[in-house]
Amino acid sequence: AQKVTQAQTEISVVEKEDVTLDCVYETRDTTYYLFWYKQPPSGELVFLIRRNSFDEQNEISGRYSWNFQKSTSSFNFTITASQVVDSAVYFCALMPNSGGGADGLTFGKGTHLIIQP
Amino acid sequence: KAGVTQTPRYLIKTRGQQVTLSCSPISGHRSVSWYQQTPGQGLQFLFEYFSETQRNKGNFPGRFSGRQFSNSRSEMNVSTLELGDSALYLCASSLTGRSIYEQYFGPGTRLTVT
Repeated sequence: AQKVTQAQTEISVVEKEDVTLDCVYETRDTTYYLFWYKQPPSGELVFLIRRNSFDEQNEISGRYSWNFQKSTSSFNFTITASQVVDSAVYFCALMPNSGGGADGLTFGKGTHLIIQP
Repeated sequence: KAGVTQTPRYLIKTRGQQVTLSCSPISGHRSVSWYQQTPGQGLQFLFEYFSETQRNKGNFPGRFSGRQFSNSRSEMNVSTLELGDSALYLCASSLTGRSIYEQYFGPGTRLTVT
């Protein structure tokens, strides 16, 4: 069984601060994929990143960066110079590779990020 | 390219009734997954369809069912509605068949059971 833990229920920072959202996962699968999604107040989940368990290289996309560490089963997400528009609930998710996509995503409970102006 | 569409967006039903929700995937996507989102349980996987076949189902009672049509559109049905079925139901589509690709989500259908 898979499990994703996002220990931070809510984070509040002032605009332009950097913020890191933590994600720790558990799986018995040797190959898997990790995802981050953003859910703004409108409710639609927006895909941010997909990472293969074989690829531990960190990734940067604009103000967003992700730190994948297989040794600690963590896939943390950092927003640099946060903006009010970053306010949303962020979900970390896991999918095993064995099912070819049939197993669905296992989501964490989400972190509500509040960026104050 | 049009995104995932879900209809209706909002729905109010009474306990004991049944409901059908619809999802149209992104053009070319053949896999459709359904998720239930509630404040208490968070996001939970309901089932996944690929090429009109249900390949997997989450831990939900048999009152929850679905199907996929030849054009990849999918419907989910909930019979004998209970108050606890009130939730945001999200549909996601993906290219996947054997490989894992990104799942793109629709705006959801918010179901309220009274």
